[in-house]
Amino acid sequence: QQQVKQSPQSLIVQKGGISIINCAYENTAFDYFPWYQQFPGKGPALLIAIRPDVSEKKEGRFTISFNKSAKQFSLHIMDSQPGDSATYFCAASNSGTYKYIFGTGTRLKVLA
Amino acid sequence: ETGVTQSPTHLIKTRGQQVTLRCSSQSGHNTVSWYQQALGQGPQFIFQYYREEENGRGNFPPRFSGLQFPNYSSELNVNALELDDSALYLCASSLGGSRTGVNEQFFGPGTRLTVL
Repeated sequence: QQQVKQSPQSLIVQKGGISIINCAYENTAFDYFPWYQQFPGKGPALLIAIRPDVSEKKEGRFTISFNKSAKQFSLHIMDSQPGDSATYFCAASNSGTYKYIFGTGTRLKVLA
Repeated sequence: ETGVTQSPTHLIKTRGQQVTLRCSSQSGHNTVSWYQQALGQGPQFIFQYYREEENGRGNFPPRFSGLQFPNYSSELNVNALELDDSALYLCASSLGGSRTGVNEQFFGPGTRLTVL
């Protein structure tokens, strides 16, 4: 019940295309869902996050879509650029613990 | 405002040895969490410290221990190192504890530990 399942494991997108990464969770106590971007040899950097009281959040080219009933959320990267090539992790936590449960990651490659 | 820093960047140890990793939290943050990230995997929660006290622990054995100091910097200690302890160790700082509902965690660059 503590798992966060992430897919796909890897993704190749043409420059200018839309990258979509999906995550699913079981624990309905989770109330915070961040996405992190990680480049090789670096720590994860917070991209965007959402709480279950909204169904969508957009920041620049990055959008989180959240489906509370399905217990799923996804990251959309619009107009994908080669500089977006990185590993993306979804995570979930609840306010009571602050423990983040991470997905297994998606390695994104954007072709120039 | 300074970000989260960690030292050392890389470390090589042999099986059975002990290691101490260090983390300086982002300015103003009073909570630090430690994660282990094996190659090709997502970070796994080790434990969290809030105002110098352990505030939660993941599924890691007692040979993983930590400290948080009054200036909110932190240490992760691992005793009796095993080959499987080879990983990137990340610390993340945040503001608040379990009562405030603030969740944003900011990660440092990590320490790459190799156990031979």
